[in-house]
Amino acid sequence: KNEVEQSPQNLTAQEGEFITINCSYSVGISALHWLQQHPGGGIVSLFMLSSGKKKHGRLIATINIQEKHSSLHITASHPRDSAVYICAGTWVRETSGSRLTFGEGTQLTVNP
Amino acid sequence: DSGVTQTPKHLITATGQRVTLRCSPRSGDLSVYWYQQSLDQGLQFLIQYYNGEERAKGNILERFSAQQFPDLHSELNLSSLELGDSALYFCASSVDPDQPQHFGDGTRLSIL
Repeated sequence: KNEVEQSPQNLTAQEGEFITINCSYSVGISALHWLQQHPGGGIVSLFMLSSGKKKHGRLIATINIQEKHSSLHITASHPRDSAVYICAGTWVRETSGSRLTFGEGTQLTVNP
Repeated sequence: DSGVTQTPKHLITATGQRVTLRCSPRSGDLSVYWYQQSLDQGLQFLIQYYNGEERAKGNILERFSAQQFPDLHSELNLSSLELGDSALYFCASSVDPDQPQHFGDGTRLSIL
C-alpha cells in the first residue's frame, strides 16, 4: 500500500465547475504538500500544510489530521488549471533528514 | 521562476555512459533534494543534502551518487547508464526540511 494515495486519477470538468481532489496518507507525516505539474514538466509547489486550511486565489487546501486526509479544491475552474496535481507527504526524522513521498497524481482537464 | 536552476535541460546519451546533472538552489536555501520522475514509477525521492551533508536517502541506485558543495550547489552523478534511467530528474531546495520545497525545471535524460 502506498504511503500517499490520491483520487481520482483522472478528472475532466467544464469551465466554471468546483473541483475537489482527495489525498489520503499513512500516519507519521509532518506536512502535506500539494504540487502542480504542467504539460511542460515544471513543478510548482501550491501548498504546504500541517493543519487546518490554506487559500491562495481560487485554490483551497484542507487537511484533517485525525482522518489522515487532505483535499485540494479549485473554485471557478478554468482551462489554464489543466495540469497534474500531486499530493506529497513529508516524513522528517531527526537522524535521517526528511523525504517527500508522492501520490500518483491527478490529471485534471478543464474544458472551455 | 522558482529560483532553482538545473542544467542541462536536456541530455541525450548512450547506455553505459556517465552524466552529471547540476543544481543551484535558491539563494539562502540550505537543503537540496533530488527526485526522479519516470513514466512507470512516477515521482520518487532520491537523496537530500543539508548544508553540505547527506541527510536522507531514498530509492537511489548504487550507480548514482550526489554531493553538495560548499557554495551549496549540488551535482547528481549517474553512471553505467541503462535504458531504464531515462527520466526527468528534478532538484528542489528549501531553507530547511520543515519549509516548502521549490523545484527546478528538471533535466530530461534520454538514454539511447
